[in-house]
Parts: sequence; C-alpha cells; structure tokens
Amino acid sequence: AQSVTQLDSQVPVFEEAPVELRCNYSSSVSVYLFWYVQYPNQGLQLLLKYLSGSTLVESINGFEAEFNKSQTSFHLRKPSVHISDTAEYFCAVTKGDSNYQLIWGAGTKLIIKP
Amino acid sequence: DTEVTQTPKHLVMGMTNKKSLKCEQHMGHRAMYWYKQKAKKPPELMFVYSYEKLSINESVPSRFSPECPNSSLLNLHLHALQPEDSALYLCASSQSDPGSGNTIYFGEGSWLTVV
Repeated sequence: AQSVTQLDSQVPVFEEAPVELRCNYSSSVSVYLFWYVQYPNQGLQLLLKYLSGSTLVESINGFEAEFNKSQTSFHLRKPSVHISDTAEYFCAVTKGDSNYQLIWGAGTKLIIKP
Repeated sequence: DTEVTQTPKHLVMGMTNKKSLKCEQHMGHRAMYWYKQKAKKPPELMFVYSYEKLSINESVPSRFSPECPNSSLLNLHLHALQPEDSALYLCASSQSDPGSGNTIYFGEGSWLTVV
C-alpha cells in the first residue's frame, strides 16, 4: 500500500537559519508529489509540485524540493526562513490506483524562533 | 489568493439543526471536492464530484449530503450532526484528476462547531 511519511511532527528553527522538512513515500507505481502549506487558521495552498523533468523544483517564496527516486524522498528546503514561514507543511502523493485521491503525510509544523 | 470561495467561514449549529456549507469556483475546473480536517491532522477526503457527478464517496455518514448544482458550485448539506463532526471543512477543485498532474486548489475552509 502507498504511504507518505513525514518523520518530524515539529521543526523549530531560528529565523534566518536554513530548514529541511523531510518527506518519504512508498509506492510501487510512478507518482506525482506535492507540498502544501497551511498558515494558521487558513486553507491549504500549493507550495510546489514535482511531475517530471528536473528533480529540483522551486516555489516563488524561496522553498525548493528535490525528488529522489532511489531514496523515494521529496524533502523541502529553504536556505533562510522568516517568521512568516510559520505554518503546517503537508507532503502528498497521487494515489496510483484511484483517481482524484492524494495520500497525505501527517504534516510538519514549522516553528520559527526569533 | 484562493479562487475557491467558501461560505460561511464559521458555523455553529445544534445537533438537531439543518445547515449548508457552500463553495464556488470560477476556474473552469471539472472536479470539486469536500475534505474534513481535524486540528493538527491532514485533510480527509469526503466526496469528489467529476463533471457534476458524484465520483467518490468515502463512506461518509448520511448526515452529510453533498450537492453539485452546476460545474461552479458545490454544497454540503448538514443534518443531525454530532459534536465529533466539529472540524474545518475544506472545499477544493482541480482541472481534472491529480493523477494526471493537476493541482488541487483549496478554499479557506468553513469552521464548523456542533454543540
């Protein structure tokens, strides 16, 4: 069965420091991968996604993620975080045997310390 | 800014009430979704409409009744809910199946409290 693992439920980091949020998945079929961000008391917003091609994808606000097929990972990174990055981050992959469904990770809460 | 609009943003209802959540999108998307999200958890899929037809019902209790009046609108009718149904209800839409690489766009959500 497919699954998505976000090992860290919380990641505290100082402002302007780099951060990595980890996402690993298991699947016997090819998948598309997504990172969504949920700011406090808001809905989910797509941060970035990997479909094909270059394994490094970037977002407009400085985040990037690298698809690693051999390690079945799609870790999210930012070289310097800001207080406004405080949010819950969810990794998701397409469900190979079913349309319209995503398999979600449990989420990682990014806590920015001043 | 999200292009999926949900109303109301907050709703408090008693267990005997009937209420509805409404959702609208003007992106021309053909798939619309209802998700339920509890605090500190990922969203759970409830229903999917594809081309205005119910495509997926994730064994949701009948006290939740979805309706898709047209390709831009999606409603969730609520009746005889339980306190454990209190959650954030998210509407979403996508051009087509995310399995084809399409992005699912979410609304801001409706916070539901059942008393």
